[in-house]
Amino acid sequence: KAGVTQTPRYLIKTRGQQVTLSCSPISGHRSVSWYQQTPGQGLQFLFEYFSETQRNKGNFPGRFSGRQFSNSRSEMNVSTLELGDSALYLCASSSQGATDTQYFGPGTRLTVL
Amino acid sequence: AQSVAQPEDQVNVAEGNPLTVKCTYSVSGNPYLFWYVQYPNRGLQFLLKYITGDNLVKGSYGFEAEFNKSQTSFHLKKPSALVSDSALYFCAVRDKGQGSQGNLIFGKGTKLSVKP
Repeated sequence: KAGVTQTPRYLIKTRGQQVTLSCSPISGHRSVSWYQQTPGQGLQFLFEYFSETQRNKGNFPGRFSGRQFSNSRSEMNVSTLELGDSALYLCASSSQGATDTQYFGPGTRLTVL
Repeated sequence: AQSVAQPEDQVNVAEGNPLTVKCTYSVSGNPYLFWYVQYPNRGLQFLLKYITGDNLVKGSYGFEAEFNKSQTSFHLKKPSALVSDSALYFCAVRDKGQGSQGNLIFGKGTKLSVKP
């Protein structure tokens, strides 16, 4: 099976712009979670989608949003970018259950100038 | 609230020696615990998990972890370290506070350096 894929791998944006990141889960996986990784805050949970519905949400401002399509692919959007949004954004997919393993993609490195 | 602590920012080991990367947790109820490894400019790779059953869990690349309920620990171990094991290691616990899935709560990570 192919792993989790994320596009693009690298992005450079300027403050105030918006950005959309894409994630394709492992075939058959219905849950997609997004995490932000920064040197200062470490790995922080953004949100989780399951069957096109947001099932869980972390403590991030409303500028961060996401969605999931019927084929389980997911996108996350960040509007009005700030310098502090520079991070590695990781997507993870799993089957559905609480004990299921989350498998991570390679991430999208976002740099905000 | 669930939490995970990795008390060491860095662990240095000589190649061929055993290695231990420490992790302690705080959860309500039974913990679901995970270890991941991250190589530079890469995503996280799953190593192993503890859900229930045998306290010694075996995972990928020769790694294993021991679940200790009384000490609330889940240390990662390997009998003989390789230079290629040098990476960033994360311990995580499943947050069971919301919904039926729950996100992962990660420790700060431990940088493992294996010298030849």
